[in-house]
Amino acid sequence: QVQLQESGPGLVKPSQTLSLTCTVSGGSISSAGYYWSWIRQHPGKGLEWIGSIYFSGSTYYTPSLKSRVTMSVDTSKSHFSLNLTSVTAADTAVYYCARVTTTVTTMGWFDPWGQGTLVIVSS
Amino acid sequence: DVQMTQSPSSLSASVGDRVTITCRASQSISSSLNWYQQKPGKAPKLLIYGASNLQSGVPSRFSGSGSGTDFTLTISSLQPEDFATYYCQQSYNTPLTFGGGTKVEIK
Repeated sequence: QVQLQESGPGLVKPSQTLSLTCTVSGGSISSAGYYWSWIRQHPGKGLEWIGSIYFSGSTYYTPSLKSRVTMSVDTSKSHFSLNLTSVTAADTAVYYCARVTTTVTTMGWFDPWGQGTLVIVSS
Repeated sequence: DVQMTQSPSSLSASVGDRVTITCRASQSISSSLNWYQQKPGKAPKLLIYGASNLQSGVPSRFSGSGSGTDFTLTISSLQPEDFATYYCQQSYNTPLTFGGGTKVEIK
């Protein structure tokens, strides 16, 4: 079955760029009908969708982060990435990657998820 | 953005109880509503998609219902492994949004 694994630095300095990669195994990142997503969870808080990318490179970002977010996909390496620029302490969170199953008309549900990686923004 | 409101934010229940969690959308989202279970330190797990479709491998004591703006997740007989936080998520349009969560605790 498809598995996702996040990787990247656990500590980022304020004003720098947070960069994470999600490696997909057990299935093709180029499969039709799936977007690949990033979701974050601030400590003790709820879930926030950051954005999603298709294997073609088509992206959707949440408006509140759109000016700072870039997502990319590398089908040859079966991974997709998140860059979040100009980070502050408010970006400290557990970052998850997940696959989104799309429907005919909409994005759909997140499954499976990676285990998550805690990123702390601190000097 | 579609705002998702869950209630209650927390509840205490005993093993064997029937538990109902409600999720309300700020506008009609048809049946584009999904439910997740999250245990401490773990990633969320999909339970229900499309308002009422049980994800493969999820016990049948979990069920979902609703359409439009009002949705319900029901656990017919609470088991010890069901103590967790539950989130709804709308997939009607972007940005994809989640409810604030409902923590189910042991009474």
